[in-house]
Amino acid sequence: AQRVTQPEKLLSVFKGAPVELKCNYSYSGSPELFWYVQYSRQRLQLLLRHISRESIKGFTADLNKGETSFHLKKPFAQEEDSAMYYCALSRNSGYSTLTFGKGTMLLVSP
Amino acid sequence: NAGVTQTPKFRVLKTGQSMTLLCAQDMNHEYMYWYRQDPGMGLRLIHYSVGEGTTAKGEVPDGYNVSRLKKQNFLLGLESAAPSQTSVYFCASSRGTSGRNEQFFGPGTRLTVL
Repeated sequence: AQRVTQPEKLLSVFKGAPVELKCNYSYSGSPELFWYVQYSRQRLQLLLRHISRESIKGFTADLNKGETSFHLKKPFAQEEDSAMYYCALSRNSGYSTLTFGKGTMLLVSP
Repeated sequence: NAGVTQTPKFRVLKTGQSMTLLCAQDMNHEYMYWYRQDPGMGLRLIHYSVGEGTTAKGEVPDGYNVSRLKKQNFLLGLESAAPSQTSVYFCASSRGTSGRNEQFFGPGTRLTVL
């Protein structure tokens, strides 16, 4: 069975501080990892995926297969980053659905 | 394009009542999904569909039924609502399997069962 763990329910930082949202996964095969974000009063949307190896809104995430982690990082947090962040996992072949973590609320204070 | 739309936005039911939530997408996506979002539980998959006329169970399917008679629509039914089904329900769609394809979400339906 696949499982995604986000150990922090809430992460509160000041503007300009570095941010790291943790995500650990359990899966025996080769996974696809994603970060989805839900801003206040907006629908859930894809932030980034590990296969793209891209930086979106200053956020990056590296898949560490040895530590089974996919932590989301940003060097300098902005107030507009305040949102709920979900880590999600999928198989990379065949029919596959997403398994979501429980989410981390990021609050960035001025 | 409207993307993924959900009807209704809000609903209050009494225990034992039934209702149907409608999800529609205009992106010609093959895959569609129904999730529920509860505080501290994240998003949990209820049912999903890999194409018109097909449905499959997700993580928490009990108490729900679904139908995908048309490619663009995915209906979620509650035959006899229970207070434990109070939640925010999200529909999503994707072009193909989730492993490679972004899921696009609807705005959600907030359901309260008294």
